[in-house]
Amino acid sequence: GENVEQHPSTLSVQEGDSAVIKCTYSDSASNYFPWYKQELGKRPQLIIDIRSNVGEKKDQRIAVTLNKTAKHFSLHITETQPEDSAVYFCAPKYSGGGADGLTFGKGTHLIIQP
Amino acid sequence: DSGVTQTPKHLITATGQRVTLRCSPRSGDLSVYWYQQSLDQGLQFLIHYYNGEERAKGNILERFSAQQFPDLHSELNLSSLELGDSALYFCASSGRDNSPLHFGNGTRLTVT
Repeated sequence: GENVEQHPSTLSVQEGDSAVIKCTYSDSASNYFPWYKQELGKRPQLIIDIRSNVGEKKDQRIAVTLNKTAKHFSLHITETQPEDSAVYFCAPKYSGGGADGLTFGKGTHLIIQP
Repeated sequence: DSGVTQTPKHLITATGQRVTLRCSPRSGDLSVYWYQQSLDQGLQFLIHYYNGEERAKGNILERFSAQQFPDLHSELNLSSLELGDSALYFCASSGRDNSPLHFGNGTRLTVT
């Protein structure tokens, strides 16, 4: 199965600063790279995803970059706001028609300091 | 609203008992995933079903079992419950390959 590592486990930034979370995976056949956000007491929700034929994708203050050679992808949040405080999970996925689960990273607790 | 429905929202039961958690996926989604999330922990993958067939198993205990029915809803059965099984259990559904997961609001299980 996929071995997924997320760093850091906790990230505290000042409001307005940028935050970067990195996800490293082991399966070179992974071809779908999503990030999920889970606010306290709520369900995880997709915030951005990227497929293996693209190196970067941006959606307003959020971006994801992919380095397939090094087998890692990163979440970038600029101009952080209090509502960005949450736990963020990566979940690289291989899907080739065979058995596939979906392994999540252990999560990064992002704290936005006012 | 994600379109994924999980029932019940809360469940309190005693050790040694058996419970069934239910999940209705989004309309049209064929895949159902089950995850366990303990306090301040990540999402532990339990099992994945696709169109009624088991696709992959994660860290699912032998005391746990699941199935997906012809109408695509899924049930997760937890038996011989232990205190350590207390957790939030999420179901998620997805459509075609490489599409995002849509999570239900979870079932909070408390074993006393």
